[in-house]
Amino acid sequence: EVQLVESGGGLVQPGGSLRLSCAASGFTFSSYWMHWVRQAPGKGLVWVSRINTDGSSTSYADSVKGRFTISRDNGKNTLYLQMNSLRAEDTAVYYCARAGTYKMEYWGQGTLVTVSS
Amino acid sequence: QSALTQPASVSGSPGQSITISCTGTSSDVGGYNYVSWYQQHPGKAPKLMIYDVSNRPSGVSNRFSGSKSGNTASLTISGLQAEDEADYYCSSYTSSTTYVFGTGTKVTVL
Repeated sequence: EVQLVESGGGLVQPGGSLRLSCAASGFTFSSYWMHWVRQAPGKGLVWVSRINTDGSSTSYADSVKGRFTISRDNGKNTLYLQMNSLRAEDTAVYYCARAGTYKMEYWGQGTLVTVSS
Repeated sequence: QSALTQPASVSGSPGQSITISCTGTSSDVGGYNYVSWYQQHPGKAPKLMIYDVSNRPSGVSNRFSGSKSGNTASLTISGLQAEDEADYYCSSYTSSTTYVFGTGTKVTVL
């Protein structure tokens, strides 16, 4: 069974940093591209970033480019999202998702990030 | 990248069919057959319902179907059931090698 478990969320001040993790199990993690998607409270889904199988290719939404970095450790079956220079508008539940070909096949339950002073 | 446009809400009675539209541009929906649809119940993670415009993943009911014409994709739910009440989001691959989601549609079963 595919399982994705996010962690690392919490309360952070504006301008601060946070690193999210997504622990994967039930599939060969190193064979799949991965995504991060976020959802502000009461709002819709917003795609954030994706990474290829070996981490050599990444892509970001304009709203996070230059501030967020996606990475992965295939030896630890873990996906990461390093978030710097956080803003109030980054407040959201962050989901990791396993990629299929041009789709997000499986999703974790999400971790909440709150940016507030 | 602007969000794809979906109606805020759609409703129907049990057994009826409803259709949700998803309008983008030639740089996303119209340019690729890579439109997906996701169902999200309150407090839950999204679930893939349709991919590549009209394909259903294993385990998804055949009451769900997808199509596309030009820059607009559509999700149809036939034989509406109470369990279908949820938020639905479309998504498309884009010419910038990124992805964009729709604004979301709340489906209410009357």
